[in-house]
Formats: sequence, structure tokens, C-alpha cells
Amino acid sequence: DAGVIQSPRHEVTEMGQEVTLRCKPISGHNSLFWYRQTMMRGLELLIYFNNNVPIDDSGMPEDRFSAKMPNASFSTLKIQPSEPRDSAVYFCASNLLAAGYNEQFFGPGTRLTVL
Amino acid sequence: SQQGEEDPQALSIQEGENATMNCSYKTSINNLQWYRQNSGRGLVHLILIRSNEREKHSGRLRVTLDTSKKSSSLLITASRAADTASYFCATDSGSRLTFGEGTQLTVNP
Repeated sequence: DAGVIQSPRHEVTEMGQEVTLRCKPISGHNSLFWYRQTMMRGLELLIYFNNNVPIDDSGMPEDRFSAKMPNASFSTLKIQPSEPRDSAVYFCASNLLAAGYNEQFFGPGTRLTVL
Repeated sequence: SQQGEEDPQALSIQEGENATMNCSYKTSINNLQWYRQNSGRGLVHLILIRSNEREKHSGRLRVTLDTSKKSSSLLITASRAADTASYFCATDSGSRLTFGEGTQLTVNP
């Protein structure tokens, strides 16, 4: 089992550029979560999908952020245009949502630096 | 308001000592989970305790849950240098988890 796969692992870009982060969840999992982690704000849930459908995007900071899940094995988080305050580590996590049990499996993260 | 607040924010102990971290939360929960994060890595699930359980063990880990006080504690016994990491509690109130700010544990050899 390869676990949750994220790419790229590191991204350095200039303000105003488009950034696309990618995630491959664990095969068989039906829920996918995007988090952002910073020193100031800790770990924040941005959006999550269940069966490829966005369920709660209330954590998405603003319209510059968008996320898609075209199929059960792939999701993207896009920032356009990027700003320096978007610099953070972005994590993708997945799980098989079941009543009373909700362990999440995290990917290694993408460290984004916006100059 | 922040769900799942840990204390202390940082804890430094010697190898072999026990480490205790606490978590408080505000709303009702289905279960509470503890995760570990090594520097530069993703979070790793350690243990889950359901709302109707009071204590759970897994190896050197012991978790307690007091739903009347809306609090949980994580005890790591006989700590090792490899236990150095950040530890987060997460409350499950449905289909999503809400994470606390974490406790940074340093175990000195």
C-alpha cells in the first residue's frame, strides 16, 4: 500500500502565479480532505469530498482557491493567483468513512512558498 | 472557538520519563483521536477512543476520555528519543475531524 501520494513535495513560485497541488488517495477510500498547516493558524480543513462530491468547502479561504475530484483516485487543489500569505504546508488525507470510526491517513504534504 | 485545545504547548522530558498531554474540547463528539507528526512529515494516527469509552491502551500509549469535562489525556510511558514529535488531538463530530494546535514533545537522550 503506497499510502496517500502528494505532488509536488515542494513548490516555490512567484506571487500571481497559478499553483496546482495534486493528491492520490488510498485505493478504496471514499473520502478525501485538504488541509493547510501554518505556524500561526495550525492545521485547518479547507475542503473535503465524499464519493468525489464536495461536501464542505467552508474552510476555503477565498475564491482564489478551488478544488476538484474528477474521480476516486485523484484530486487537485488550485490557487490562482497565488499570494505570499498562501505559503504553508498543504496536506491531503483520505479515509473510508464509516459510522463511529474516522481515522484519516495523511500524505507527506506539499510545502508551498510564494515569493 | 477552537475545538481540541492541547496543553501544554511544549513539553521537554528525559528519556525514560512519562509524558502526559491534555486536550479539551467544546462540543459533543463521536470519538476523539490522537495523531503524531514528526518534523516535515504528515500526521500519523495513534489511537482512537469512542465517546462511550473511558480509557484505552495501545503499547506505551494510554488515552483517557472524560466526556463530562470534555477532556482527554494522552500518556506516553517510558519515553524514547524517537517519541520526539508534535502530538495533536482531533475530535470527530460526524464526517470531519477538528484538530487542536498540538503539543510539541521533546525527549532528550
